[in-house]
Amino acid sequence: QKEVEQNSGPLSVPEGAIASLNCTYSDRGSQSFFWYRQYSGKSPELIMFIYSNGDKEDGRFTAQLNKASQYVSLLIRDSQPSDSATYLCAVNSGYSTLTFGKGTMLLVSP
Amino acid sequence: DGGITQSPKYLFRKEGQNVTLSCEQNLNHDAMYWYRQDPGQGLRLIYYSQIVNDFQKGDIAEGYSVSREKKESFPLTVTSAQKNPTAFYLCASSTVLAANYNEQFFGPGTRLTVL
Repeated sequence: QKEVEQNSGPLSVPEGAIASLNCTYSDRGSQSFFWYRQYSGKSPELIMFIYSNGDKEDGRFTAQLNKASQYVSLLIRDSQPSDSATYLCAVNSGYSTLTFGKGTMLLVSP
Repeated sequence: DGGITQSPKYLFRKEGQNVTLSCEQNLNHDAMYWYRQDPGQGLRLIYYSQIVNDFQKGDIAEGYSVSREKKESFPLTVTSAQKNPTAFYLCASSTVLAANYNEQFFGPGTRLTVL
């Protein structure tokens, strides 16, 4: 059974700080990794994807991948109250399917 | 305006009834997916389809059925055999350019409640 693990949180950070969200996965053969943001009562929204080891930056977001450690993270710089949401990590599990973690709730206080 | 639509937004079902959830996309995506989300839980895959007239079971297919007669449409039927159907149902789609590199995009979801 392929597994994706995330700390459920909540992770509380003050406005302007860096939020660090972490995810580990069990399938060493996984090749693509995705971060989704989900506001309460809404559907997930794709914010980042990463395929190669290292860092990938997009605006205030940076995804980090370490395949040797089976670890992927998302950094949010200059966190805003509007970033308060649940962040879902997803890992490809073959045949175009994804396995999702349970998500980490992020709370950014003004 | 491309996207994925799901209807209805809210659905109430009596025990013993079958209900069908609609999912339509105009993104020209080949693959479509159905997920279920329970409170505090991640998304669990019910069924997926990579091509018209073909679909595969996901992790929790029991009590559900699907069809894929058109590329744009992937309806999900929740049957009376599904013992605990109250949940948030999400439809997604993606291209199938390469098997392991597919970003999935989600519709707005249908919230099903069994009375």
